[in-house]
Amino acid sequence: LAKTTQPISMDSYEGQEVNITCSHNNIATNDYITWYQQFPSQGPRFIIQGYKTKVTNEVASLFIPADRKSSTLSLPRVSLSDTAVYYCLVGDKHPSNTGKLIFGQGTTLQVKP
Amino acid sequence: GAGVSQSPRYKVAKRGQDVALRCDPISGHVSLFWYQQALGQGPEFLTYFQNEAQLDKSGLPSDRFFAERPEGSVSTLKIQRTQQEDSAVYLCASSLGLATSGGGNEQFFGPGTRLTVL
Repeated sequence: LAKTTQPISMDSYEGQEVNITCSHNNIATNDYITWYQQFPSQGPRFIIQGYKTKVTNEVASLFIPADRKSSTLSLPRVSLSDTAVYYCLVGDKHPSNTGKLIFGQGTTLQVKP
Repeated sequence: GAGVSQSPRYKVAKRGQDVALRCDPISGHVSLFWYQQALGQGPEFLTYFQNEAQLDKSGLPSDRFFAERPEGSVSTLKIQRTQQEDSAVYLCASSLGLATSGGGNEQFFGPGTRLTVL
């Protein structure tokens, strides 16, 4: 599974847009890009997933350039409650893959008032 | 229930004791995963069940770790002769269909069991 690199930490203020970029230079053709969010004392929570171009849901947007070697999670107008660790993961749908998720260290986002 | 539940939420064990951690997945979910999360790190895969079959146990760190899901629903992770390095949060996740780490079949995580071995 492709290795990912993302910043260890980021700071922001309430109401700002936050962009977290993840690099995955060795991404394979069949790999999808998935982001999870984890609050303290909770398990990770799925945020968004994409393969190419742009995906948007009620929580976030995911931008993936044509070469797919990086991706950017965009959180619009963050609030204090968005303070969490954000994980970028890549993986494929090959039947031999049992679906285990490979997490890195993630990006700790601190939103300040 | 509405989500994945785990019990106990906190467990303190003396070194050498055996512990059993329980996971109740979302009803009807076929796939069940166990992960271990050390302080300040991302979760690390331990083992995977498809219904009652344990299809991947490549992440179990030693033969002291054992997991089961005998009826394809509730799962138990057992750690024998606990060591201090076993101290971590143990997370359980389930997904509706056959698991893939790519598109589809989002994994739903429980709150975890924090194990402290003294």
